[in-house]
Amino acid sequence: DGGITQSPKYLFRKEGQNVTLSCEQNLNHDAMYWYRQDPGQGLRLIYYSQIVNDFQKGDIAEGYSVSREKKESFPLTVTSAQKNPTAFYLCASSIDRNTEAFFGQGTRLTVV
Amino acid sequence: GESVGLHLPTLSVQEGDNSIINCAYSNSASDYFIWYKQESGKGPQFIIDIRSNMDKRQGQRVTVLLNKTVKHLSLQIAATQPGDSAVYFCAENPHGKIIFGKGTRLHILP
Repeated sequence: DGGITQSPKYLFRKEGQNVTLSCEQNLNHDAMYWYRQDPGQGLRLIYYSQIVNDFQKGDIAEGYSVSREKKESFPLTVTSAQKNPTAFYLCASSIDRNTEAFFGQGTRLTVV
Repeated sequence: GESVGLHLPTLSVQEGDNSIINCAYSNSASDYFIWYKQESGKGPQFIIDIRSNMDKRQGQRVTVLLNKTVKHLSLQIAATQPGDSAVYFCAENPHGKIIFGKGTRLHILP
């Protein structure tokens, strides 16, 4: 099956711990994106990557880090510097910057 | 700034009627626009897109209109069904990134 996979679906962490969210796609897409969604809100862009080994900050990059060492993978680390990490995190990919993005099913992170 | 806004947070429509969801965008550099549908607890699903060299595009039961003069997008859903109940987002692509608006919740009345 082709698609974009986020894991795990639910994740719990203690405050002060770093946590890495997985995003894998087998669609051969060049571009990948991470968004954060809070309850009743829209999607806010954290980081995006238009090609392997390159990525840019989005609107709310503080407290997050990413890597793009492989075309199919774009993991997001939520660091202890992120003040309000509890949220729904969505990963997406697209063929390039001018085509529609396909989304994973999201990871709901709860920090206690 | 670079943002996509929506006129109404919630829209209630009678089943069988047409729905019109509006969106204002602010970035003149955007040349590609997308509508997404998001059901509760799931990732957004692509509905329809339009490029800036067009002003109208039709899909199955959906039509997107683009007015570049006033930076306005709309999504029309014909014969709204219960399964259309969801949050709808418009998105734009300034400078290689995809920016989303806050969303409109579409509520279907029986």
